[in-house]
Amino acid sequence: DIQMTQSPPSLSASLGDKVTITCQASQNINKYIAWYQQKPGKAPRLLIRYTSTLESGTPSRFSGSGSGRDYSFSISNVESEDIASYYCLQYDNLPPTFGGGTKLELK
Amino acid sequence: EVQLVESGGGLVQPGSSLKLSCVASGFTFSSYNMHWIRQAPKKGLEWIALIYYDSSNKYYADSVKGRFTISRDNSKNTLYLEMNSLRSEDTAMYYCAKGDWELDYWGQGVMVTVSS
Repeated sequence: DIQMTQSPPSLSASLGDKVTITCQASQNINKYIAWYQQKPGKAPRLLIRYTSTLESGTPSRFSGSGSGRDYSFSISNVESEDIASYYCLQYDNLPPTFGGGTKLELK
Repeated sequence: EVQLVESGGGLVQPGSSLKLSCVASGFTFSSYNMHWIRQAPKKGLEWIALIYYDSSNKYYADSVKGRFTISRDNSKNTLYLEMNSLRSEDTAMYYCAKGDWELDYWGQGVMVTVSS
């Protein structure tokens, strides 16, 4: 199975900050990575697929990049509604595997 | 609008069985692969099962292989997860999700608690 190492586990930011989360795969995943947002008590919501393709409705302050084993997800100008947990998912190989998650909190 | 609605969760004793359902609407259910994912309390996400759009292939996480069975009824737009020999470590919120490979829509989840 491909292991996804996501960091940091938690992140504290002020409104308007730029934050970046990384996921490193245990092998090349050919850009088949998605990023999800999960708010407390809610189901995850797909924000970005295939490394950098924003889903309809995902604000442009969210972005993704990377290749090979290394990927990143950024939020520029953090807003209060962005306070949530974020997860990466590789879907290059079965089984699909998630990163451990990053909890974004307000400073 | 895509909707996925899970049901069938509850409190069960270790060793018992439970069958979850997920009713889909707003898309052509029979054209898409479907998944089950779970999340233990205060923990991360764990993918547990995949079924192809035509039920031709099924895949499971090692943690549930041999105990859980995924199935679907395309005539009823419904996905199932039959869970046997339940253990305390199966306690989690269970989500169904649509998506050939990336999981693009998720249900609201159903809670399964395994405890004596």
